[in-house]
Amino acid sequence: DAKTTQPNSMESNEEEPVHLPCNHSTISGTDYIHWYRQLPSQGPEYVIHGLTSNVNNRMASLAIAEDRKSSTLILHRATLRDAAVYYCILRDSARGGSNYKLTFGKGTLLTVNP
Amino acid sequence: GAGVSQSPRYKVAKRGQDVALRCDPISGHVSLFWYQQALGQGPEFLTYFQNEAQLDKSGLPSDRFFAERPEGSVSTLKIQRTQQEDSAVYLCASSSTIPLADLSYEQYFGPGTRLTVT
Repeated sequence: DAKTTQPNSMESNEEEPVHLPCNHSTISGTDYIHWYRQLPSQGPEYVIHGLTSNVNNRMASLAIAEDRKSSTLILHRATLRDAAVYYCILRDSARGGSNYKLTFGKGTLLTVNP
Repeated sequence: GAGVSQSPRYKVAKRGQDVALRCDPISGHVSLFWYQQALGQGPEFLTYFQNEAQLDKSGLPSDRFFAERPEGSVSTLKIQRTQQEDSAVYLCASSSTIPLADLSYEQYFGPGTRLTVT
């Protein structure tokens, strides 16, 4: 599976935007970029995913570099509830293989200061 | 609506005991997954069910680990003769689609069962 690299931790202030980076230099053409987050004492929850174009939903935005070797998860106005570990995950959309499983790294621990 | 539920939330077992962890997926979800999360690490895949069929058990650490989903809904992860290295959070996730048919599915996770082996 293609690997992702994320900073171990980041800090933000409440109500400010947060940009969480992810490097995936060995991404293949069929890899989707997924983001999940895990709040304290909870299971991971889906945030957003994309393939080539930038994506927006009610939780966040995903900006994907033109060469797809990196992406950035954008929280437009961080709240205390956004403090969590954020995971950037690649999922191969090619038929066959074991693309049903999610391969998590260590993620980025986001701290939000009041 | 109701999400994925897991029970018990916490389990303390003495080394050598058998444990059973239960997962109630979202009603109607076809796919069910188990993950293991050690302290400070991301979750790691254990096994995958499509309805009642266990299609992948490649992540189970040893033959002491066994999972079942006999009627295609509730699933149980059983660990026999627990060891200290089994201490972790065990997460269950479900999905409404068959992954190979829907390439952008999301998995819904339960809160996990924290297992401590003493």
